[in-house]
Amino acid sequence: EIVLTQSPGTLSLSPGERATLSCRASQTVSGSYLGWYQQKPGQAPRLLIYGVFNRVTGIPDRFIGSGSGTDFTLTISRVEPDDFAVYFCQHYGSSPPEYTFGQGSKLEIK
Amino acid sequence: QVLLVQSGAEEKKPGSSVKVSCKAYGGTFSTYAISWVRQAPGQGLEWMGGMVPIFGTAHYAQKFQGRVTITADESTTTTYMEMSSLRSEDTAVYSCATGGGTGFHPYFDYWGQGILVTVSS
Repeated sequence: EIVLTQSPGTLSLSPGERATLSCRASQTVSGSYLGWYQQKPGQAPRLLIYGVFNRVTGIPDRFIGSGSGTDFTLTISRVEPDDFAVYFCQHYGSSPPEYTFGQGSKLEIK
Repeated sequence: QVLLVQSGAEEKKPGSSVKVSCKAYGGTFSTYAISWVRQAPGQGLEWMGGMVPIFGTAHYAQKFQGRVTITADESTTTTYMEMSSLRSEDTAVYSCATGGGTGFHPYFDYWGQGILVTVSS
């Protein structure tokens, strides 16, 4: 079973700054099945990025996914007030179907 | 487009069971997988298992194998998740989720509103 480890646990930034969130996998991610979600308090997670770097329709281009192998990154080029939330990475394994989430990184206002 | 509507909050005693539901609207219910994901207070997301109704077989995370049963009723487009031998650590929000499409989609585009299950004596 693949384990995803996210860092940092909490990132404190001011609006306009660049956010870099890391997701490290315990083994090579197969099929580029790596996604990122944003979750705000009391809400369901929202899919932002799929297939490592593909933005879901309607997601602003300040959200950038990158990485390969075991190391993946979600970058928010210039953080806006609406971006303060918890971010989770997620991997999908297909045989058998299995989903793994990282423990989350909280982006908070400095 | 898929809309998932879940049943209401539950309060249970340790050792008991809970069965929660998730009704789907939109898409072809029989062909897309519905998964169950839980989130303990202040904690991360944990995939429990899921199934494609037309195949009739559920897949479970190893942690929940034997304690969780996921079923589906195609006539009412509803998926159920039953968990037995509840303990306080099972207190969490339980959500159904799907990517739509056909089979197990790699990501979850659609989520239910979540059900708070509280296990307390």
